[in-house]
Amino acid sequence: DIQMTQSPSSLSASVGDRVTITCRASQTINNYFNWYQQKPGKAPKLLIYAASRLQSRVPSRFTGSGSGTDFTLTISGLQPEDFATYYCQQSYSTPYTFGQGTKLEI
Amino acid sequence: QVQLQESGPGLVKASGTLSLNCDVSGDSISSSNWWSWVRQPPGKGLEWIGEIYHSGSTNYSPSLNSRVTISVDKSKNHFSLNLSSVTAADTAVYYCARGKGISMGGYCFDPWGQGTLVTVSS
Repeated sequence: DIQMTQSPSSLSASVGDRVTITCRASQTINNYFNWYQQKPGKAPKLLIYAASRLQSRVPSRFTGSGSGTDFTLTISGLQPEDFATYYCQQSYSTPYTFGQGTKLEI
Repeated sequence: QVQLQESGPGLVKASGTLSLNCDVSGDSISSSNWWSWVRQPPGKGLEWIGEIYHSGSTNYSPSLNSRVTISVDKSKNHFSLNLSSVTAADTAVYYCARGKGISMGGYCFDPWGQGTLVTVSS
């Protein structure tokens, strides 16, 4: 299985801040990589696919980058609704695997 | 607008079989997508269980492979999950999701159902 390691596991920030979350794959996965946002009691929501493509209706303050094994999610100008848990996921091979999550807190 | 909705018992006895359905609306189960199940134990992360294509082809997580069956019913436009010999460790919110292929390669889960909590009781 491909292991996905996210860091940090939690992060405190303020409205207006710029934050970066990283995810490392245990082997190269090209750009077969996605980011999801999950709010308490809700299903995950696709934010970014193919490492850097913004899903429809997702604000442009979210940006994704990376290829191979190392990926980042950057949120510029945090908004109150961005405080949530973020997961990375590889789709290079089954079993599809997720990172352990990064909880973004105020 | 594509929507997925899970349904099934919220309580299952240990050693029994967990059975859930996922009703799909706004898309055909026979479209060029895979259909997945993902679970999340309380307070923990996401675990992919397996997927099915409308042809009946399946892929399962090796950690659950011996206990999982995913099936599709094209007439009802839904797919189903059976997980046998359940234990307390199978207590989780179970999500269904559409696996959408990406033109430049890869695959993403979008959209997801709202999720359903299944508790395994002793």
